[in-house]
Amino acid sequence: GAGVSQSPSNKVTEKGKDVELRCDPISGHTALYWYRQSLGQGLEFLIYFQGNSAPDKSGLPSDRFSAERTGGSVSTLTIQRTQQEDSAVYLCASSLGDVQPQHFGDGTRLSIL
Amino acid sequence: AQSVTQPDIHITVSEGASLELRCNYSYGATPYLFWYVQSPGQGLQLLLKYFSGDTLVQGIKGFEAEFKRSQSSFNLRKPSVHWSDAAEYFCAVGARSGGYNKLIFGAGTRLAVHP
Repeated sequence: GAGVSQSPSNKVTEKGKDVELRCDPISGHTALYWYRQSLGQGLEFLIYFQGNSAPDKSGLPSDRFSAERTGGSVSTLTIQRTQQEDSAVYLCASSLGDVQPQHFGDGTRLSIL
Repeated sequence: AQSVTQPDIHITVSEGASLELRCNYSYGATPYLFWYVQSPGQGLQLLLKYFSGDTLVQGIKGFEAEFKRSQSSFNLRKPSVHWSDAAEYFCAVGARSGGYNKLIFGAGTRLAVHP
C-alpha cells in the first residue's frame, strides 16, 4: 500500500520567504508527526497530531513555525520569514495509534539561500 | 531528561562480517525502543521495535536487537552484513508524553561496507 507521501521533495527559497510543506499520511493512520533533520541538531521532534485533539506543538523552534491538519488527514507545515538556519530535511511520520510504530515519508529537503 | 547515545559515528565492516551497533538510552520508565535505517535521500525505515516481553527482538533484513535493562542498552546486530546494508542507522526511544510516543533519536551511526 501507499506510504507516507511528502511534497515537494526539494524546496529552494530565498531568506525571508514563506514556505509550505505537505504531508499525506498512510490511510487510516490517526497520529501524525513532524520531525526536522539537520546536520547540527540531528533528528528533532516538532509537532504531533492525533485525531481531533489539540496538537502537541512543544517541539516547534519558534513562532515562525506552524502546522495544521485538515480533516484528520493531510498536514501542512508552514515556515514564515524563513531563515538560513531553517535549512534541513523535514520528515513526516504517521502511525495507527498513539504508541504504534511511526512510518516515515522521504522528507522535504529545504534550502534557504 | 530522556536521551539516546550512539557512541559510534562511523563504522566500516567487510561484507559477510558480523555487525553490532551500540545504543544506550536514558529514560525513567520502561522504554519503547526502536531502530530505524535511512538510505541517502530517503526517509527512515523501521527495522525493529521493543515494547515489552522477550528482550531479544527480530526485525527485517536479518537484524536483531537485545534490550538489556541493567545496561540501558539496545544494541543492533546482524550476523553477516551485505553491501546493501550500507546506510545510516538510528536508535530511538519513545518518550511517553501525554499518552503518545515522541521519538527521541540518537545521532546515528553511518555504516560502510567493504566488498
